[in-house]
Parts: sequence; C-alpha cells; structure tokens
Amino acid sequence: ETGVTQTPRHLVMGMTNKKSLKCEQHLGHNAMYWYKQSAKKPLELMFVYNFKEQTENNSVPSRFSPECPNSSHLFLHLHTLQPEDSALYLCASSQDWVNTEAFFGQGTRLTVV
Amino acid sequence: QKEVEQNSGPLSVPEGAIASLNCTYSDRGSQSFFWYRQYSGKSPELIMFIYSNGDKEDGRFTAQLNKASQYVSLLIRDSQPSDSATYLCAVNSDTPLVFGKGTRLSVIA
Repeated sequence: ETGVTQTPRHLVMGMTNKKSLKCEQHLGHNAMYWYKQSAKKPLELMFVYNFKEQTENNSVPSRFSPECPNSSHLFLHLHTLQPEDSALYLCASSQDWVNTEAFFGQGTRLTVV
Repeated sequence: QKEVEQNSGPLSVPEGAIASLNCTYSDRGSQSFFWYRQYSGKSPELIMFIYSNGDKEDGRFTAQLNKASQYVSLLIRDSQPSDSATYLCAVNSDTPLVFGKGTRLSVIA
C-alpha cells in the first residue's frame, strides 16, 4: 500500500460514454498528478495539481478533464474517448511538485471500444 | 525538451549475479534522481533516490550518480528471480518527474 488509492482498477467504455477516474491520497501531500502509460512509451505526464491549483497541462486533449476539489482527491473525467486512449492511467502524489519522490496508485486499466 | 534515456532491454542476468541498469538525462540542472520498479500489470514502486554525486547503498541496491556525465545507474547485487521487472529512471529539478521508458530485467534461475 502506497497511500494512494485509485478506482476503478479496470474500465471498459465505449467512445460515446462519459466516465470518471478517482484518486485519493492519505499521505498529506500537496501535489497530485495524472500520468498515462501506453505500451512501449515512457510515462506521460498529463496534469499536475499543486495545492489544488493546476500547474501543468501537457497538451492533453480536451476529452480528458481533471478536477481537484481538495489536496487529497483528484478526478479525471473522460468523454468521447478514442481507442488510442486505451492505456494504464496512473495517479501519483508527492510532498511538493518538485524535487520530491512521487508515490503511485495501483492504476486504472482503461479500454476504449 | 527534458529527456531521460534508458536501454529498453531485456537485460538477462543469472540468479546471484549483479544486474547493472543505466540511465542518462539531458537536463544538466537536474537535482533529484529516482529508481522505480514496475512489475507487469502493476504501478511503479519507488526503490531508491539519490541527490548527490557518488554511491548510495540500500540493501542489495546501489544507486550511482555522476552529474558531470549526466549519468545515473542502479546496481542490484545477488539478483533474484523476484527482481525481474521493468526499472524506471526518473529525474527532476524544477519540474515534475520525467521518466525514461524503463529497462526490462529478467533474472534467470
């Protein structure tokens, strides 16, 4: 247990569906992240929140919409996804957003059909 | 564009041998260096971090950092089959972590 919990663990959705991924951290960290991991590619940073404020959005398509209501919770809202969006989506948290180690949740394996 | 490079492998070593995993990075201003282990189908797990030039040992693991050469490595002594995984190198300074693609390690019993 890393102290970062993601739900659901697996998700299959159609291209017209709307779904949300949830992440909760119990570590008292100030920064939270969404990463995407596709086969044969490095972990791709999608969004960064520091003290609930979004500090980075790495050119992510608008069909991915993050929400951070407080420092402990992070959501990723999904709508009209494409099959190429199928991947492992990882949430992570760290004490600060620079120069500190990140701890990952178990991930959500997303399949878009 | 800050980059972290790793040989994707697979790196195969016999049980009991030393596994050596290497990583180079492009940003000379990088200050913090991390090694994560990721088993198939699982999320990355932090195993070591290093901030200063030289070696840092933790059990069977030794991280080595050479900032002048922009090089960081991970040595695993007495490799076990349970060490078989993908090892991710990650680097940051004034940005969130940048990850390499990872090196797949296979320890053969």
